[in-house]
Amino acid sequence: AQKVTQAQTEISVVEKEDVTLDCVYETRDTTYYLFWYKQPPSGELVFLIRRNSFDEQNEISGRYSWNFQKSTSSFNFTITASQVVDSAVYFCALSGGWGFGNEKLTFGTGTRLTIIP
Amino acid sequence: KAGVTQTPRYLIKTRGQQVTLSCSPISGHRSVSWYQQTPGQGLQFLFEYFSETQRNKGNFPGRFSGRQFSNSRSEMNVSTLELGDSALYLCASSFVGGPENEQFFGPGTRLTVL
Repeated sequence: AQKVTQAQTEISVVEKEDVTLDCVYETRDTTYYLFWYKQPPSGELVFLIRRNSFDEQNEISGRYSWNFQKSTSSFNFTITASQVVDSAVYFCALSGGWGFGNEKLTFGTGTRLTIIP
Repeated sequence: KAGVTQTPRYLIKTRGQQVTLSCSPISGHRSVSWYQQTPGQGLQFLFEYFSETQRNKGNFPGRFSGRQFSNSRSEMNVSTLELGDSALYLCASSFVGGPENEQFFGPGTRLTVL
């Protein structure tokens, strides 16, 4: 069975501070994908990043960066110089395998991030 | 390019009724997935359709059903509504499905069961 754990339920930081959101996953699949989504108050899930299990390179996209470590089954997300617009609920998710039939995403419980101006 | 649209956005029903929610995927996308989001259970996968066929199903009772039309639009139906069915129902579309293809989510339908 697959499981995603986001131990941080809520985080509040002052604007311009850096913040890291933790994600730990469990899976028996040797091939899998990890995702981060952002959910603003409007409710729509916004895709941020996808990583497959064979690619452990860290990724940076502007103020966002992701650290994938298979040894600790973690896929952490860091926002540098946070802004008020970053306030949202962030979800880490996991899917298994390749191709059709593996669309199902297993989500963590989410971390509510509040950036204080 | 228009995004995923879901109708209606808000819905209020009473216990025992049934409800139908609609999802129009991004043009050209053929895979549609449905998720239920509740405060207690979080985001849970309901089912996925591709070319009018259900390919994958989550652990929900038979009261939850869906279908997909030839134009890739999808509907989900919940019969004999229960209070616990109150949730945000999200649909997502992707070009052909598979986790290697990005899923784009709609704004959701918020269902309240009284």
